[in-house]
Amino acid sequence: DVQLVESGGGLVQPGRSLRLSCAASGFTFSTYAMNWVRQAPGKGLEWVAAISASADTTLYADSVKGRCSISRDNSKSTLYLQMDSLRAEDTAIYYCTKWVYWFESWGQGTLVTVSS
Amino acid sequence: QSALTQPRSVSGSPGQSVTISCTGTRSNVGNNKYVSWYRQHPGKAPKLIMFDVSERPSGVPDRLSGSKSGNTASLTISGLQADDEGDYYCCSYAGTYVVFGGGTELTVL
Repeated sequence: DVQLVESGGGLVQPGRSLRLSCAASGFTFSTYAMNWVRQAPGKGLEWVAAISASADTTLYADSVKGRCSISRDNSKSTLYLQMDSLRAEDTAIYYCTKWVYWFESWGQGTLVTVSS
Repeated sequence: QSALTQPRSVSGSPGQSVTISCTGTRSNVGNNKYVSWYRQHPGKAPKLIMFDVSERPSGVPDRLSGSKSGNTASLTISGLQADDEGDYYCCSYAGTYVVFGGGTELTVL
């Protein structure tokens, strides 16, 4: 079974940085594109970033472009999201997702709270 | 990257059918077959229930069906059951970005 386990969330002050991780198992990680999707409290889903299987292509939502960086380590089956210059509006549950032109599998998410 | 448009809520009685619409543009929904749908129960992660407009993942009952006409995709749930309650999101891949709908809350009366 596919398992995606996010970690790294927590309370962080505005302007600071945070790195999220997602440990993947149950599939050949290196052959799938991966994405991050977030959900602010009480709000809908928002796509954040995507990375191709070989990491040669990355895409970002306009809302995080220039502040976030998605990466992966295929040798460790791990996906990352580096978030800099965090803002209150970045407060959300961040989901790691397996991508096949649709979000085939989801992790349980990690909560990021940006507040002073 | 504007969000796709969904009704905020729909409702139906057990056994009835409901349809949730999802309207985008020629750049996303109207441009390809990569429309997908997700259901989310409170406090849980979303779950894929439809992909490629009308394809159901393994384990999703055929009471759920998807379609698309122009820039609008639709999800129809027939034979409503209590467990169908939840939030439903459509999604479209547009080549350089991915966009979700705002979500629709389905209530089974």
